[in-house]
Amino acid sequence: EDQVTQSPEALRLQEGESSSLNCSYTVSGLRGLFWYRQDPGKGPEFLFTLYSAGEEKEKERLKATLTKKESFLHITAPKPEDSATYLCAARRVGTGNQFYFGTGTSLTVIP
Amino acid sequence: NAGVTQTPKFRILKIGQSMTLQCAQDMNHNYMYWYRQDPGMGLKLIYYSVGAGITDKGEVPNGYNVSRSTTEDFPLRLELAAPSQTSVYFCASTQDRYTEAFFGQGTRLTVV
Repeated sequence: EDQVTQSPEALRLQEGESSSLNCSYTVSGLRGLFWYRQDPGKGPEFLFTLYSAGEEKEKERLKATLTKKESFLHITAPKPEDSATYLCAARRVGTGNQFYFGTGTSLTVIP
Repeated sequence: NAGVTQTPKFRILKIGQSMTLQCAQDMNHNYMYWYRQDPGMGLKLIYYSVGAGITDKGEVPNGYNVSRSTTEDFPLRLELAAPSQTSVYFCASTQDRYTEAFFGQGTRLTVV
């Protein structure tokens, strides 16, 4: 069964305290692993796509990595404005090339 | 660029009423999706379309219908609304089989 699991559900960090969010996936025929940021009352906003194990992408304080079973979103020296829910999604081969989403990690960065 | 536009943003329905959630994209994307998002449950796929005239069911299609008469528009129809359909609904589109999905701002629906 295709499944995406994110951990932890919630994370509170002090400003400047680095950490990582985990996304484990079991999807047959992965077309890509996607990270999104979602602010309250808004739609998900695209951050990164990773296509193959070993690939890394960076943007400001965020860095995404991918293995054959997991993806990590590393947050370095976070700021309060990084507070949001972070979603990962695995896109699979097949009819519709569907996205399978995890339930997200709610990140709060305390000044 | 407008991207993906959803209307309305908020709606309250009475049990048994019907309504259509509108979704339009101006990026000429072939793939379009409807999701619902419930607290702690993540985004669940309701219906999707790979092009004009082609639609198919996702994970949770019961109580919903869609149509795709043009590339731009992908409306979601709720017939006989039920309290279980209280949720936030998101429409999304992608250019092809590999690229990211762009989301609308969502429609918050309450059925009372």
